[in-house]
Amino acid sequence: EADIYQTPRYLVIGTGKKITLECSQTMGHDKMYWYQQDPGMELHLIHYSYGVNSTEKGDLSSESTVSRIRTEHFPLTLESARPSHTSQYLCASSPTGRTGELFFGEGSRLTVL
Amino acid sequence: GESVGLHLPTLSVQEGDNSIINCAYSNSASDYFIWYKQESGKGPQFIIDIRSNMDKRQGQRVTVLLNKTVKHLSLQIAATQPGDSAVYFCAETSNSGYSTLTFGKGTMLLVSP
Repeated sequence: EADIYQTPRYLVIGTGKKITLECSQTMGHDKMYWYQQDPGMELHLIHYSYGVNSTEKGDLSSESTVSRIRTEHFPLTLESARPSHTSQYLCASSPTGRTGELFFGEGSRLTVL
Repeated sequence: GESVGLHLPTLSVQEGDNSIINCAYSNSASDYFIWYKQESGKGPQFIIDIRSNMDKRQGQRVTVLLNKTVKHLSLQIAATQPGDSAVYFCAETSNSGYSTLTFGKGTMLLVSP
């Protein structure tokens, strides 16, 4: 079983609110990722990190930001949520040398009204 | 940009049948391919991978075939079970420590008892 946790699992908020989606892993993985996934659709990479103090933007443009102050923690923040941000956000991590083997959390489903 | 995609959005099979899920990729530089399974309400889970120096790899009840000539990848599931019902994604990357995964569109596999 993968030890990667996301909170909250479900969040409904109003437009303009600031939100932070939490992601933590206890496997000591250096690499962490955030993907955005609409229902039944493919995953789009929005942010990733190679390790502490490393953050990179992914393929999909996103108004969110991330930080990586600790190895185990990779939170994603939206400063001002909009209805277009409604989606599922999946956090993942991978061990060094195993780029393709990602361990995913169960996701945070965000609805912005 | 270059992409990975699937031919069939939904595949319905009877329990005990063999299932074949197909995937086409377009990035000639890709040299590492992975299949993921995503059950409802969960994050994707790694199933099997294959490197470009191979054309076939077998796991437990699953086989991945790679045809680099036509840029085609398939996942075969033997003796499909109801627990195999899920959305299956192929993903590709280059075998580099700094590369990230690109996911294709999913195929939903429905297994009837």
